Amino acid sequence: ETGVTQTPRHLVMGMTNKKSLKCEQHLGHNAMYWYKQSAKKPLELMFVYSLEERVENNSVPSRFSPECPNSSHLFLHLHTLQPEDSALYLCASSQVGGSDTQYFGPGTRLTVL
Amino acid sequence: ILNVEQSPQSLHVQEGDSTNFTCSFPSSNFYALHWYRWETAKSPEALFVMTLNGDEKKKGRISATLNTKEGYSYLYIKGSQPEDSATYLCAFPNKAAGNKLTFGGGTRVLVKP
Repeated sequence: ETGVTQTPRHLVMGMTNKKSLKCEQHLGHNAMYWYKQSAKKPLELMFVYSLEERVENNSVPSRFSPECPNSSHLFLHLHTLQPEDSALYLCASSQVGGSDTQYFGPGTRLTVL
Repeated sequence: ILNVEQSPQSLHVQEGDSTNFTCSFPSSNFYALHWYRWETAKSPEALFVMTLNGDEKKKGRISATLNTKEGYSYLYIKGSQPEDSATYLCAFPNKAAGNKLTFGGGTRVLVKP
């Protein structure tokens, strides 16, 4: 596989469920990102991992918990979400010290019932 | 908070016509401007990274110009085709936040046959 992959592509969950989103990059990059795309809003940066260390957390509620076990994998653990958390969640990767161009996965469409 | 704005929000173009739209960004502390193309159900794809005032970049029928002094960039599509239908995003690296990208709201282009 090449590029950035995300699983699952679609997820429907109840407010009491616990689920995880997975992202994998095959580009040899050293930084990974989670973004949220809500309807009619710009892409919002949620978390940044650089060299496997979290360097940014944009005031994201604690019901979202990221994990970066190595430079190729990124998870977003979800628990007790709210219906307003329904959105498209995009993962991206880049090479720190390079052009800052980010390479995106196709996203996970999340619906919280 | 950086202000990155795109105009218009959406655009309907007849096949064969040319079109353009803008991205405005802070003109101080300019570092670079990124353009991405995002087709429905696909990943956002990097188009251009622009760094120099007066720069013009081209990829097929799509080109972009940059004015860092006044803080805007134009994206042009010449002879639009249905496959050009997508949302076009610009993104501005925030120097104060380790060059993390702040995205505009996007211009959604629909090319009608």
